[in-house]
Amino acid sequence: NAGVTQTPKFRVLKTGQSMTLLCAQDMNHEYMYWYRQDPGMGLRLIHYSVGEGTTAKGEVPDGYNVSRLKKQNFLLGLESAAPSQTSVYFCASSHQDRGQPQHFGDGTRLSIL
Amino acid sequence: DQQVKQNSPSLSVQEGRISILNCDYTNSMFDYFLWYKKYPAEGPTFLISISSIKDKNEDGRFTVFLNKSAKHLSLHIVPSQPGDSAVYFCAASARSGGYQKVTFGTGTKLQVIP
Repeated sequence: NAGVTQTPKFRVLKTGQSMTLLCAQDMNHEYMYWYRQDPGMGLRLIHYSVGEGTTAKGEVPDGYNVSRLKKQNFLLGLESAAPSQTSVYFCASSHQDRGQPQHFGDGTRLSIL
Repeated sequence: DQQVKQNSPSLSVQEGRISILNCDYTNSMFDYFLWYKKYPAEGPTFLISISSIKDKNEDGRFTVFLNKSAKHLSLHIVPSQPGDSAVYFCAASARSGGYQKVTFGTGTKLQVIP
């Protein structure tokens, strides 16, 4: 029973490098989300998807891109990493019905030097 | 503009006593409220929720109370156990732009002292 799986768990990048964070869910959820968690800031929504092939901007989308080519996968890309993107990134998924809880992965700790 | 606020960054409680975590919100369109628990190096996990049409929901040792007039909700843990030590996030949900938008608070770190 995997739930939501994030890859990788840790990564260190140099400023200007690019990378993709992978998220996979096996619960057939319609919605998927990417958050970042910074000290004292809670969870802030970067991008979300309400279904395969659809994505939308969240609260802090600048510097990130996403794709959802398959229902079970949601990819977060950093085209040119900046130190301000040092954070812990969480992927989540949920059913579309009102009040349904989100299921989270264990996070990716990303450091940009 | 922080629509969901958890004003206490931390809370310490003796084992066996009651833990009360508070959350305030500003958006009257929120229709569901949820609490999540987060251990270090793990993702948040869902704990309990409440619809805006109710004022109380109970699940074992966990009870959430909603006061709509005050735009305030609280999570009660009775009795508190050392395993409850974690960061607790309050979240509120509202229909926005065709989907259920969820806004999280900044979290309260609960320490239960044995």
